[in-house]
Amino acid sequence: EDKVVQSPLSLVVHEGDTVTLNCSYEVTNFRSLLWYKQEKKAPTFLFMLTSSGIEKKSGRLSSILDKKELFSILNITATQTGDSAIYLCAVPWGSSNTGKLIFGQGTTLQVKP
Amino acid sequence: SAVISQKPSRDICQRGTSLTIQCQVDSQVTMMFWYRQQPGQSLTLIATANQGSEATYESGFVIDKFPISRPNLTFSTLTVSNMSPEDSSIYLCSVEVAPGQGNYGYTFGSGTRLTVV
Repeated sequence: EDKVVQSPLSLVVHEGDTVTLNCSYEVTNFRSLLWYKQEKKAPTFLFMLTSSGIEKKSGRLSSILDKKELFSILNITATQTGDSAIYLCAVPWGSSNTGKLIFGQGTTLQVKP
Repeated sequence: SAVISQKPSRDICQRGTSLTIQCQVDSQVTMMFWYRQQPGQSLTLIATANQGSEATYESGFVIDKFPISRPNLTFSTLTVSNMSPEDSSIYLCSVEVAPGQGNYGYTFGSGTRLTVV
């Protein structure tokens, strides 16, 4: 059965800390892995990863994919209170071009001042 | 990049009633997806809405409970029928954004927070 597993499920840090969020997957016909940030209702897109070992970076956030070991990490450096959110990892599944996503459980990050 | 307008943003409904959620996309898309996020849970796909054909439902979801319409390539509705408190969730629509359209990936509507009392 296809699945996506995130860890930790929750994390509390202080401003300025660096955090690493993990996502492992078992999905047939793997094509890509996506990271989202969910603050209220709608997830907002962070990264899409398709190739192993190529880091994607956006400001203080970065992510990398390891297709051999079937996992991805999301790093946030110099965390701020505005980073407090649920971080979701998702993988498209099913036959190509179906557009369906299977989500991990999410990591709830709380950044304290 | 594709922008999705979803409404209502939130609603509080009586059990036994139905609520229809609408999603309007600013560009034509072949498939639209409906997700549910129960309290404290992650997103689960309800169904795929295809224009001109019946929606495709995932295991555990049925058309009688979640009828979907897809009258054209930019619009879809999801109805939550005969609601019970267990239907209290966030409902989200989503489309896939193809390369070259800005925010490549999957874009979500703003979500509908439904509370059934």
